[in-house]
Amino acid sequence: DTEVTQTPKHLVMGMTNKKSLKCEQHMGHRAMYWYKQKAKKPPELMFVYSYEKLSINESVPSRFSPECPNSSLLNLHLHALQPEDSALYLCASSQGSYGTMMHEQFFGPGTRLTVL
Amino acid sequence: KNQVEQSPQSLIILEGKNCTLQCNYTVSPFSNLRWYKQDTGRGPVSLTIMTFSENTKSNGRYTATLDADTKQSSLHITASQLSDSASYICVVTAGYGNKLVFGAGTILRVKS
Repeated sequence: DTEVTQTPKHLVMGMTNKKSLKCEQHMGHRAMYWYKQKAKKPPELMFVYSYEKLSINESVPSRFSPECPNSSLLNLHLHALQPEDSALYLCASSQGSYGTMMHEQFFGPGTRLTVL
Repeated sequence: KNQVEQSPQSLIILEGKNCTLQCNYTVSPFSNLRWYKQDTGRGPVSLTIMTFSENTKSNGRYTATLDADTKQSSLHITASQLSDSASYICVVTAGYGNKLVFGAGTILRVKS
């Protein structure tokens, strides 16, 4: 299985809602990532988990809260988002080892988030 | 400052024609360089990944080149197909694999 899956595909939420994005991989990868991508822009790294521990937080606002329950799952909890947070949220995974981001990253299809 | 610049910003070609996309980088220390293809609204898919010692790598109709001396890479697409219409993103890994630097991408449109 060389696939990264993400649910839901689309999400519309109000600014007072709490929602979660989910990501799953079964490739035995020990590094997982969250990216945010605005239209016609490259992905921007948000968080990196390596061996289920948060290793990189790119100064992301606290209204985004990542969680890695086990080596196959990665969640992104959303609370009190702003309309400007509307974007495509991508999950990726790669081999977890020294120099985590040295290795090829496999991306999921993304969740299209709209904040009203 | 670590930067990756891609050109052209966008490109339109006829089906069956070849094209070449460019990537210039000022990333140090360099670990590897990747090309991704991203369809609209989908996640990026890896095409090639090259380390310092590799100067050419092919994946079907896609051929990437790397000149580590001039810090330039290119992605050549042969006999383009309508399905090649996508954004092509150049990504350079910096340091000891602890930083990725993304280019802005080239939007390719192949028309019949």
